[in-house]
Amino acid sequence: AQTVTQSQPEMSVQEAETVTLSCTYDTSESDYYLFWYKQPPSRQMILVIRQEAYKQQNATENRFSVNFQKAAKSFSLKISDSQLGDAAMYFCAYRSAGGSEKLVFGKGTKLTVNP
Amino acid sequence: DVKVTQSSRYLVKRTGEKVFLECVQDMDHENMFWYRQDPGLGLRLIYFSYDVKMKEKGDIPEGYSVSREKKERFSLILESASTNQTSMYLCASIAAERGGYDTQYFGPGTRLTVL
Repeated sequence: AQTVTQSQPEMSVQEAETVTLSCTYDTSESDYYLFWYKQPPSRQMILVIRQEAYKQQNATENRFSVNFQKAAKSFSLKISDSQLGDAAMYFCAYRSAGGSEKLVFGKGTKLTVNP
Repeated sequence: DVKVTQSSRYLVKRTGEKVFLECVQDMDHENMFWYRQDPGLGLRLIYFSYDVKMKEKGDIPEGYSVSREKKERFSLILESASTNQTSMYLCASIAAERGGYDTQYFGPGTRLTVL
């Protein structure tokens, strides 16, 4: 079974600075998808960014980018120019490429942005 | 715009009560999921459904059942609520595999307290 590990329960960053959230995963599959979700306080979980395992190029979405290291099974999220609205719980998730659409989640990282 | 709704944001029930949590999606998605979210444990899958009247157990199905009589609606049932079922419950949906990396869409969550 696949597992996802987020080793940082909490992180903090100064507004306008850069922060990196860590995620590692364990799988024997070669084709899969990885996701970062954001859950703001009392608000809905939304997708931040996603990566296909067979694509070597790291995904980027505006201020959000990932560092995908397939051999190391690492999928970190970098947030540049942090804003107060980035404060949230961030979850890393794994999904197999074939069959079920089930997601396996990490335990989350709570990000605080200091003004 | 994509929408997943849950019947209640906050719910307080007593031990032993039968509890229904309702989830509705308007995207004609085949797959629907119920998760439980607890601090330090992340999201854990309770049950999922890949079609009307079809269901599969997730990682923590004990004490729960589900019902999917219509494609757009997926209900989570606590047959006899217990205090250890106090938690945040999240519903999600996604279309069946299309060869892409579509994301799960989440509802706002129901915070259930069992007294």
